[in-house]
Amino acid sequence: ETGVTQSPTHLIKTRGQQVTLRCSSQSGHNTVSWYQQALGQGPQFIFQYYREEENGRGNFPPRFSGLQFPNYSSELNVNALELDDSALYLCASRSTSGTAYEQYFGPGTRLTVT
Amino acid sequence: GESVGLHLPTLSVQEGDNSIINCAYSNSASDYFIWYKQESGKGPQFIIDIRSNMDKRQGQRVTVLLNKTVKHLSLQIAATQPGDSAVYFCAENIGTGRRALTFGSGTRLQVQP
Repeated sequence: ETGVTQSPTHLIKTRGQQVTLRCSSQSGHNTVSWYQQALGQGPQFIFQYYREEENGRGNFPPRFSGLQFPNYSSELNVNALELDDSALYLCASRSTSGTAYEQYFGPGTRLTVT
Repeated sequence: GESVGLHLPTLSVQEGDNSIINCAYSNSASDYFIWYKQESGKGPQFIIDIRSNMDKRQGQRVTVLLNKTVKHLSLQIAATQPGDSAVYFCAENIGTGRRALTFGSGTRLQVQP
């Protein structure tokens, strides 16, 4: 196990609703990234947070937003849900100290939009 | 758990054989590469990484080879075991400092006992 936890495990929402997904980083990791993984595809980078600020973003619209808290836990918020938002959402944490650039992934939250 | 990689390329090997999984990456500026293993219902699990200033790196039962000339990455698994059955992704990072990873489409490895 990586020490990265996510909640909830599964979630079903209706189109147009809003959703908040949560991630608890591995101890000592100060950077968290969020990825979207559609069925049958590799994860796609949404954004990254470092010291509570977004410092990198992939090709996702502004209705995807996030927060990082002082204890390095994080949230992913998605507004105005669309059917195509159905996917597995993964968070990954890493440390920027030394050369430890590996990102450690949580188990993901499976979001279904109906 | 959910099914990962329903329509991915599949490599089927016999238990005990060596496996080679290939990946073509997209950006010649990428400076860091990682192989991940993803089992059904789980997040990607780090296997091994390699920096662009190297062409080979070995771990326990795994070896990653990097050919920057043709932008090709491979993962070799020695003495493949049933527990190695999973979807394998290569990921690359462009040296922008943000360490966002770009993942390939994945390969499903099936190990026959």
